[in-house]
Amino acid sequence: AQSVTQPDIHITVSEGASLELRCNYSYGATPYLFWYVQSPGQGLQLLLKYFSGDTLVQGIKGFEAEFKRSQSSFNLRKPSVHWSDAAEYFCAVGYFGNEKLTFGTGTRLTIIP
Amino acid sequence: DGGITQSPKYLFRKEGQNVTLSCEQNLNHDAMYWYRQDPGQGLRLIYYSQIVNDFQKGDIAEGYSVSREKKESFPLTVTSAQKNPTAFYLCASSIGGALTETQYFGPGTRLLVL
Repeated sequence: AQSVTQPDIHITVSEGASLELRCNYSYGATPYLFWYVQSPGQGLQLLLKYFSGDTLVQGIKGFEAEFKRSQSSFNLRKPSVHWSDAAEYFCAVGYFGNEKLTFGTGTRLTIIP
Repeated sequence: DGGITQSPKYLFRKEGQNVTLSCEQNLNHDAMYWYRQDPGQGLRLIYYSQIVNDFQKGDIAEGYSVSREKKESFPLTVTSAQKNPTAFYLCASSIGGALTETQYFGPGTRLLVL
């Protein structure tokens, strides 16, 4: 069964510092990979997605993610975080022929001044 | 403005009671989804519908029911058979399939048991 792991439950970063959130998926086929962001008490917003092609994907709000098949990873990065980036981030995976996404348990990001 | 509306924002359920959560979209999307979110567990798919008058069970459908009589509406009923209904419920929609099309999420409904 498809699954996705986000090993970090909570990360604290200083404003202006760089950020990397980890995501690992497990399954043999080519995955469809997504990163979503959720502000407290709100719905989710798509940051970026990967289907095929260039393994470095650019998203909204200055985020990017890199697909590494050899490591089964799709880590999210941002060179310089802003206080408004404080939120919960979810990685999700899907596979062709199965119209369902499986979400990770999320990483809560705290920004300190 | 186009978007997804969920109501109510908070809902309280008594023991043995069925409650219905509303989800409406004016994005003209074919596909709609219901997710349940619990602390530390991420989102889990309850039901999804890719077209009017058709829907499929997700990973945790037991104790829930849905209908899709109109393209813009996908109500979720939490039945008395759902023994642990306290959670945050999110509705989403997409133009087409979940893999190739972006899912847009509503603001959610928080269900609490009295």
